[in-house]
Order: sequence, then structure tokens, then C-alpha cells
Amino acid sequence: DAGITQSPRYKITETGRQVTLMCHQTWSHSYMFWYRQDLGHGLRLIYYSAAADITDKGEVPDGYVVSRSKTENFPLTLESATRSQTSVYFCASSESGPAGKQFFGPGTRLTVL
Amino acid sequence: GQQVMQIPQYQHVQEGEDFTTYCNSSTTLSNIQWYKQRPGGHPVFLIQLVKSGEVKKQKRLTFQFGEAKKNSSLHITATQTTDVGTYFCAGLTGAGSYQLTFGKGTKLSVIP
Repeated sequence: DAGITQSPRYKITETGRQVTLMCHQTWSHSYMFWYRQDLGHGLRLIYYSAAADITDKGEVPDGYVVSRSKTENFPLTLESATRSQTSVYFCASSESGPAGKQFFGPGTRLTVL
Repeated sequence: GQQVMQIPQYQHVQEGEDFTTYCNSSTTLSNIQWYKQRPGGHPVFLIQLVKSGEVKKQKRLTFQFGEAKKNSSLHITATQTTDVGTYFCAGLTGAGSYQLTFGKGTKLSVIP
């Protein structure tokens, strides 16, 4: 699954700072997703995008902003990081939407101090 | 909102024993997917089930989708150490839904 990459892989930041997590896919998949994974909660959808310039909220969107100016990129921004946003963030893409197979990136481990 | 419950949360088995994880939804699902996440890794798609009562096999793994399309199971026969990881089910409620709701996963440990 080298076709979907995330950067950085690890990030430590402080409360109140803005942080952007990058996601890039080389398959030209229309759909892209951001999930967070926390112990005891599994994977929860933050935002998704059906195509360039089309984004929508998932289950836990508060405190996050996304954009999708190009099909291959789907950055996730934490406008003012909080400790509760300490988590592992996974980006995923799919050719056929959430009903189809999703390919996950390697993840970004974010710690907010 | 839709909930997908998965049990057990943890399972420790001796190598060679069988393993089963169960997934139950509060609402009817249009499809269900299963993913495996190795320790320190990312979720990897295993399979998708769409039809009521569907059964699919992948070598030692057997996946079932309930008749009412509200539950599913993954059964591994004769576990191996390579089966170690967390298995997630993820359900989609219906047409137009863009949210795949994941269960919390079952973490499988295999004792050699």
C-alpha cells in the first residue's frame, strides 16, 4: 500500500498550536477519509471527501479543518490543538467510496502536551 | 447514531486453537467490511460482505453476514502466530451513507 503516504509520522506539539497532518495518494481515488484511533474507541471518522473541493463532516469533526484542492492530497488541520486530540491519525482512500475497500496510510502519531 | 459492537475485546489462544470475533449492529447494514491491524501497523482490508446470509472464506478465515444483516462474524481455524493483531468490523448503514462505522476491534494474541 505504498500509494498512500502520511507525514509527519510522529509529531509532538503544544496546546494551542496549529498542526497540519498531510496525506497523499497516488491512485487518483476519488474518496479520501481521516480517522482517529484511540484506545477504547476504535477508529472514528473525522472528515471525508468525495472529490476535490467536496468535503463533509464525520462523527468527530470538532476542532479539525480539512481541504481538498487536489485529488491526491487531503490535509487535516488542528486549528488550536488540545490534549484530547492526542491520538493516532489515519488517512484512507477508496476508489468506490465508503462502501468499497479502503486503503489506509501508515498513520501519524500526534501528541499534544 | 449507528453503533457497531464487537466482542470479545481481547482473546488469547494457543497456537492451533480456533478463534471467533463477533460484530453486532443496532441497525441493518448494507454491507460489512473486515480489517486487520497488526501491532504498530495500519488497518488492512480483508473482505466485504453484502448479501444476507453470505459466507466467504479466505484460507483459514471464514466470514459470515447474518440473515438480518445486523451481525457478522470472523472465524479463524487453527490460529498461527501470523494471525496476531486486532480485527475490526466496519458497517455501512445504507445508500447515501458515507460513514463506515467501525467496531472497537478484537485484539488477538496467539501463544506459540
